[in-house]
Amino acid sequence: QKEVEQDPGPLSVPEGAIVSLNCTYSNSAFQYFMWYRQYSRKGPELLMYTYSSGNKEDGRFTAQVDKSSKYISLFIRDSQPSDSATYLCARDNTDKLIFGTGTRLQVFP
Amino acid sequence: DGGITQSPKYLFRKEGQNVTLSCEQNLNHDAMYWYRQDPGQGLRLIYYSQIVNDFQKGDIAEGYSVSREKKESFPLTVTSAQKNPTAFYLCASSPGHSGANVLTFGAGSRLTVL
Repeated sequence: QKEVEQDPGPLSVPEGAIVSLNCTYSNSAFQYFMWYRQYSRKGPELLMYTYSSGNKEDGRFTAQVDKSSKYISLFIRDSQPSDSATYLCARDNTDKLIFGTGTRLQVFP
Repeated sequence: DGGITQSPKYLFRKEGQNVTLSCEQNLNHDAMYWYRQDPGQGLRLIYYSQIVNDFQKGDIAEGYSVSREKKESFPLTVTSAQKNPTAFYLCASSPGHSGANVLTFGAGSRLTVL
């Protein structure tokens, strides 16, 4: 079993839709979880990170961690074509990050 | 501007040749990392370094080598022993202190073996 599992997609939604991106993880010993966005042929950039359980909101983006079910989610409200990218979840393993495979999102006008 | 610079952006290599990918950061970060990205496989850790003159193997270190002689530099050599080196290589750094291990990535280097 991979440490972080993520549906690769692709996920295709119309502009303005609410997007839900999800990951599951297998080791609950660590506290920080992160979401990165990667545009084609570019390096990933940090969107946000959360500590332990609960929600964190930043503009149109909300990150949620459910430690009881080992589930992490990223919600994007009012999605825009500029949100089209690959979204990578990651678990902080203290001295390194363990990444999921990434979900490719396409938002069409 | 603070950031991570990777070079070259594109690199072509003949089979049997070693190549070195450069990674320089001016963020004053202690920790540096090399990841490999292949379609459908996410980011896989090759090597990482928490301090100068020390580094650890990641999940796929075979066929690669690194050095960390300076805080700001962490070059990666892809040796001829790496059986399938064609990939997108990403360098990253983090402050290395307690708390969230937030990585900042470079723009990547794409290596193609001819």
